[in-house]
Amino acid sequence: DGGITQSPKYLFRKEGQNVTLSCEQNLNHDAMYWYRQDPGQGLRLIYYSQIVNDFQKGDIAEGYSVSREKKESFPLTVTSAQKNPTAFYLCASSRWGTSGDPVQFFGPGTRLTVL
Amino acid sequence: KNQVEQSPQSLIILEGKNCTLQCNYTVSPFSNLRWYKQDTGRGPVSLTIMTFSENTKSNGRYTATLDADTKQSSLHITASQLSDSASYICVVSADSGGYQKVTFGTGTKLQVIP
Repeated sequence: DGGITQSPKYLFRKEGQNVTLSCEQNLNHDAMYWYRQDPGQGLRLIYYSQIVNDFQKGDIAEGYSVSREKKESFPLTVTSAQKNPTAFYLCASSRWGTSGDPVQFFGPGTRLTVL
Repeated sequence: KNQVEQSPQSLIILEGKNCTLQCNYTVSPFSNLRWYKQDTGRGPVSLTIMTFSENTKSNGRYTATLDADTKQSSLHITASQLSDSASYICVVSADSGGYQKVTFGTGTKLQVIP
């Protein structure tokens, strides 16, 4: 059963705490991405990674950190520096290449609520 | 600034009816345009992709059109079903030399009622 998984589905956090969202894929994709989705807004790119041990900031990286120690895994940490962390977080993966635009496969998402 | 605008924001139609969703973009240099379907609380799923040279593409009851001159795309849903209730997101990619910069629209929320 190939795909991309995220856990947990729902996450609650107190203000001032860091929290890590999990993303795993078994599609053998090189590239992985983290997006944030807020009501009435399009998905916004937080971080992306083309290969293991390398990642790049997206449009809204402040207050977030990532790691890419394994090809299959791309965890996202929401730090206490993120001013408005309550949102729906989506992880995606794709092949990587400049010829054409590889389709991004999305995980089911994690809804983070800061109390 | 790259932008993707979708209309209407929301739409309610009766089961069995057709509908058309619109997408206007100002993305340059244009690489391709994709429509995604996102069920509530789930991740988006790709429906179709269109490149500069394509002006229509079908996927079952979904038909996407692209007018690269006017920078407009539409997604037509035929004989709607209750399972079509979802948000439909238009996504446009710009070729930025090695990385396809992707801009997401805010989506059209479609509700199909019996």
